[in-house]
Formats: sequence, C-alpha cells, structure tokens
Amino acid sequence: NAGVTQTPKFRILKIGQSMTLQCAQDMNHNYMYWYRQDPGMGLKLIYYSVGAGITDKGEVPNGYNVSRSTTEDFPLRLELAAPSQTSVYFCASSYSRQTSTDTQYFGPGTRLTVL
Amino acid sequence: GQQLNQSPQSMFIQEGEDVSMNCTSSSIFNTWLWYKQDPGEGPVLLIALYKAGELTSNGRLTAQFGITRKDSFLNISASIPSDVGIYFCAGQWVNNNDMRFGAGTRLTVKP
Repeated sequence: NAGVTQTPKFRILKIGQSMTLQCAQDMNHNYMYWYRQDPGMGLKLIYYSVGAGITDKGEVPNGYNVSRSTTEDFPLRLELAAPSQTSVYFCASSYSRQTSTDTQYFGPGTRLTVL
Repeated sequence: GQQLNQSPQSMFIQEGEDVSMNCTSSSIFNTWLWYKQDPGEGPVLLIALYKAGELTSNGRLTAQFGITRKDSFLNISASIPSDVGIYFCAGQWVNNNDMRFGAGTRLTVKP
C-alpha cells in the first residue's frame, strides 16, 4: 500500500490563480480530511468527508472547495489564490472515526506559496 | 473559533528526564488525541482518549482525558533523543468529525 499520497509536493501560485491539490489513499478508508498548517501552528481542519459523495466544512473552509466522487480521492480546490493561503496542506484518512484500534494516516504534505 | 491552549510552547530537557504537557479548552470534547510531528512530515497519532477520566499508555507515553472533558495531558517518561519533535493535542466532537488542534509543544532532548 502507498498509504496517503499527495501531489504536488511544492507549488508557487500567483494571486488569483487556481489549482487543485490532489490526495489519494489506497487503504479503502471512508473518512478523509484536509488540513492546513501555518508556521509554528497546529493543524486547522478545512474540509472532511465521511464517504463518497459526502463532504462537510471544518474550521477554515473559506476559499476552498472539495469533492469526493470516489472513496480513494479527495481533491482540494483553490479557486482564487490569496497570500493568506500560503501554508502546508495535509491530507489524512481513516477507516472510521478515531477508535482505540483505528488511526488517522497523514500524507506527506503540499507546501503552497502564494505570491 | 474554538480555542485549544497547549502548554508549554517549548521544552528543553536532558535525556532521561520526564516530560509533561497539557491542553485546555473552553469547549467540551468527546475525544482527545495526541500527535507527534517530525520536521517535513505529517503528524502521527500517539494516543487517543474517548472517556472522561480515561488514562491510557503507549510505551513511555501516558495521556489522560480530564474529568471535565475540557483538558488533557501527555506525559513522556525517561525521554530519549528520538522523542524530539512537536507534540500536538487535538479535540474532536462526537456528532461530527470536526477537530481542533493545539499550537504544539516543541520538545528538544539534550543527550
């Protein structure tokens, strides 16, 4: 299993450009999450999904969109990039809610800079 | 938004010492989680807590879910150099999967 994969690893955008951050998992996990992590800070949940076709907003959804057409993929879209979206973006997945025998697996992250 | 206050922000300790860090919240959570993050990588779950008062261990790590459900602590005993990293607490509500993270505790262990 590759686990959780994210592409690209790095990206520089100009203000107003759009892009899609890709996330895929091959563990047949139902739950998937997108977080952003600003320097020196903890993670903030942007969006999450509990299954294909179902998405919900997290703490900081503004400026982002997601879709979940398949169990494996959970892309994050930035329509009009702004400097405030400069951050490291992590995708994560889990089979179910956090349980004593389950865990949330994180991807390696995408470092995005908006200039 | 909901705030998680994690302290201390950073710790510099000698190898072999014990470490304690905690998180407090103005909100009641149904699950408390503790993660460790190494540079350039995503967080890795260390311990998950599901009931008020629960005390759970994972090797040299012990965490407790506060009885008010608004706080949690993590202890690391007999620290070793590979314990270096940033430790995050997170709270999760039961009715959805929304989560809040603390700002992290940066741990440095001197050999």
